[in-house]
Amino acid sequence: EIVMTQSPATLSVSPGERATLSCRASQSVSSNLAWYQQKPGQAPRLLIYDASTRATGLPARFSGSGSGTEFTLTVSSLQSEDFAVYYCQQYNNWPLTFGGGTEVEIK
Amino acid sequence: EVQLVESGGGLVQPGGSLRLSCAASGFTFSSYWMHWVRQAPGKGLVWVSRINSDGSSTSYADSVKGRFTISRDNAKNTLYLQMNSLRAEDTAVYYCARGRTTLLNWGQGTLVTVSS
Repeated sequence: EIVMTQSPATLSVSPGERATLSCRASQSVSSNLAWYQQKPGQAPRLLIYDASTRATGLPARFSGSGSGTEFTLTVSSLQSEDFAVYYCQQYNNWPLTFGGGTEVEIK
Repeated sequence: EVQLVESGGGLVQPGGSLRLSCAASGFTFSSYWMHWVRQAPGKGLVWVSRINSDGSSTSYADSVKGRFTISRDNAKNTLYLQMNSLRAEDTAVYYCARGRTTLLNWGQGTLVTVSS
């Protein structure tokens, strides 16, 4: 199975600053990569699919990039509602696999 | 509005069984693949199983293969997960999710606790 590794585990950022989250795959997943956001006590929410396509209604401050084995989720100017845990997920191969998550916390 | 509502979780002893349900509304249920994903307390997301739109094809994570069975009733717009031979490590919140390979929408989850 493809192992997804996210870094850092925790990212401390001040509101209004830029956040850059990384996701690495153990083998190429092409552009078959999604990002999800999960807030405490809530279900995950799809943000990005196909590595860089924003889900319907997602603010433009969220962007995804990368292909192959290296991917990045960038939040250009963090708002209070963006502090959460973010997961990447590959869907190039079965089983679907998720990264361990990056928690974005308020600095 | 898409809604997915899980039910059926609870406390069960090791070796016991439980059946989870996921009631779907707001979309054409019979047109979509569906999944179960679980999250142990304080841990990350783990994919468990998926079923295609007409129920003719299923797949499972190795950790649950032979113990869990996914199924659906398109007439009732409901997804199921039959869980047998439960172990302590199956303790988690179980989410149902809609989509083929990207998980477009998620339910709020139902907690399964396996403990004596």
